[in-house]
Amino acid sequence: AQTVTQSQPEMSVQEAETVTLSCTYDTSESDYYLFWYKQPPSRQMILVIRQEAYKQQNATENRFSVNFQKAAKSFSLKISDSQLGDAAMYFCAYRSTQGGSEKLVFGKGTKLTVNP
Amino acid sequence: GAGVSQTPSNKVTEKGKYVELRCDPISGHTALYWYRQSLGQGPEFLIYFQGTGAADDSGLPNDRFFAVRPEGSVSTLKIQRTERGDSAVYLCASSLRNSRGYEQFFGPGTRLTVL
Repeated sequence: AQTVTQSQPEMSVQEAETVTLSCTYDTSESDYYLFWYKQPPSRQMILVIRQEAYKQQNATENRFSVNFQKAAKSFSLKISDSQLGDAAMYFCAYRSTQGGSEKLVFGKGTKLTVNP
Repeated sequence: GAGVSQTPSNKVTEKGKYVELRCDPISGHTALYWYRQSLGQGPEFLIYFQGTGAADDSGLPNDRFFAVRPEGSVSTLKIQRTERGDSAVYLCASSLRNSRGYEQFFGPGTRLTVL
């Protein structure tokens, strides 16, 4: 079974600075998807960015980018020019492309605090 | 509505009672998922529907948990003989199966408290 590990329970960053959140995963599959979700206090999970494993190019979405290292099974999220609205729980998630399973496997999350 | 909705937002019940949690997916989304998020944890998968049928129910913890989606739209998660350990936020998500990356759109969740 796949597992996702987020080793940083909490992180903090100064407004306008850059922060990197870590994520590692374990799988024997070669094709899969990886995601970063943001969960503010409202509880609603919001997709931040996704990466397809067969694509070597790192995904970017405005101020958000990833560093995908397939051999190391690492998928870190970089937030540039941090804003107060970025404060939230961030979850890394894995989704298999095999066996018809559509489920997401989540890490335990990292709480990000943005200091003004 | 534009997004996934869940009712009720909060539910308090007593140990041993029966509860139903409702999820209204985004219109046209064929896939629907239930997750459970305990305090301080990431969401854990419970069950996945493709249309009316449960395609994967491997995450249901025991036979007290059951979910239905009779018309391929609204889904109800049913919990019998609730236990204090069932207290958690129950999240629902839906996706348009043919969309790239099968992005799952989440609702705001139902916070269940079992006293």
